[in-house]
Amino acid sequence: KAGVTQTPRYLIKTRGQQVTLSCSPISGHRSVSWYQQTPGQGLQFLFEYFSETQRNKGNFPGRFSGRQFSNSRSEMNVSTLELGDSALYLCASSGPLGENTEAFFGQGTRLTVV
Amino acid sequence: AQSVTQLGSHVSVSEGALVLLRCNYSSSVPPYLFWYVQYPNQGLQLLLKYTTGATLVKGINGFEAEFKKSETSFHLTKPSAHMSDAAEYFCAVRPDTGRRALTFGSGTRLQVQP
Repeated sequence: KAGVTQTPRYLIKTRGQQVTLSCSPISGHRSVSWYQQTPGQGLQFLFEYFSETQRNKGNFPGRFSGRQFSNSRSEMNVSTLELGDSALYLCASSGPLGENTEAFFGQGTRLTVV
Repeated sequence: AQSVTQLGSHVSVSEGALVLLRCNYSSSVPPYLFWYVQYPNQGLQLLLKYTTGATLVKGINGFEAEFKKSETSFHLTKPSAHMSDAAEYFCAVRPDTGRRALTFGSGTRLQVQP
């Protein structure tokens, strides 16, 4: 069973630009969550999508957005990039909600804003 | 809001020594607790999880953790460290079965000395 696939692995963008990151979950998983990892703030929850609907959102500005497609693949978009958006963005795929729900993480996309 | 606190941002042990990484959670009800490991430039890999039932949880790579409600702790241990255990370890909590979002601790970097 293929794992969670994130593309691209590395990105360099300039301040003010926008960026789109992609995540393909494990086959059969309908939930995709996104996290930002930085040295200063650690791992922070961005948002979760299930069945093409945003279910939960973390405390991030509106520049951060996402969507999910009918095949469960998800994209997140960051507009008007700031230097502080440089981070490792991790996507997690989960199965049905319940006691044993686990999050399986992709390798991440390393975004550098210059 | 539920949170986890990891004591010690860096832990150094000798190869073959006991590994003990500390995690305390804040919760009024038993949460769902996880330990993840992250190798450089990689995503997160699940080591083990506590849901309900047995308080001693065994995970992969010889790691285990004990859920102690009286101490609100979920410390990670391994009897004998191996060089390949050098990585960053994260404790995480999922508050209930209704949400997938994880709240992570700040992480502990484990160094293993030969």
